[in-house]
Amino acid sequence: GQQLNQSPQSMFIQEGEDVSMNCTSSSIFNTWLWYKQDPGEGPVLLIALYKAGELTSNGRLTAQFGITRKDSFLNISASIPSDVGIYFCAGQGSNFGNEKLTFGTGTRLTIIP
Amino acid sequence: GAGVSQSPRYKVAKRGQDVALRCDPISGHVSLFWYQQALGQGPEFLTYFQNEAQLDKSGLPSDRFFAERPEGSVSTLKIQRTQQEDSAVYLCASSSTPSRRANEQFFGPGTRLTVL
Repeated sequence: GQQLNQSPQSMFIQEGEDVSMNCTSSSIFNTWLWYKQDPGEGPVLLIALYKAGELTSNGRLTAQFGITRKDSFLNISASIPSDVGIYFCAGQGSNFGNEKLTFGTGTRLTIIP
Repeated sequence: GAGVSQSPRYKVAKRGQDVALRCDPISGHVSLFWYQQALGQGPEFLTYFQNEAQLDKSGLPSDRFFAERPEGSVSTLKIQRTQQEDSAVYLCASSSTPSRRANEQFFGPGTRLTVL
């Protein structure tokens, strides 16, 4: 099945650093979402974006919906230990809840002590 | 319960065995999704229910995969004659009103299936 391209695949950073990751698609999406998944758990929604060009923040997280509707970006400022995990972008064809999600390949974030 | 629950959490099957994976969605949630997550990959859509109606099963990889939600609540994903390539984590997600804008899908912890 289709998976969106995420980069980088993994990141090793020190606590306090800022983090940037992005997601690209060959097709247009009308909703972009960012999830975090911890080991042994299901993905948890962090941020949802509904309009091209939209910039949305959730605490130290900021995400943007690309103008072309084929990409999205997630930034984490001043990283802390609990930010460790795998981050997934996901696209939805519509703005409504009864749509399947198409996920990216994931970015694994590790904090070096 | 407060969230989506799935059982069993871990399942080991011998190749050729049938398995049944259960999902208990959040009470009252209309929509229910199944996703398959292979090791090191993102989840991939399998099938979608709105109440008891299976509206999309385009992601089911073969006719060995079958899902049902007979009373519009609990759902079961059944895999017949399991193969090694079926080894993955199977995630269930539910959401409330489908007409709401990009209504959040709440995920369960998943069932890790290992086929030997």
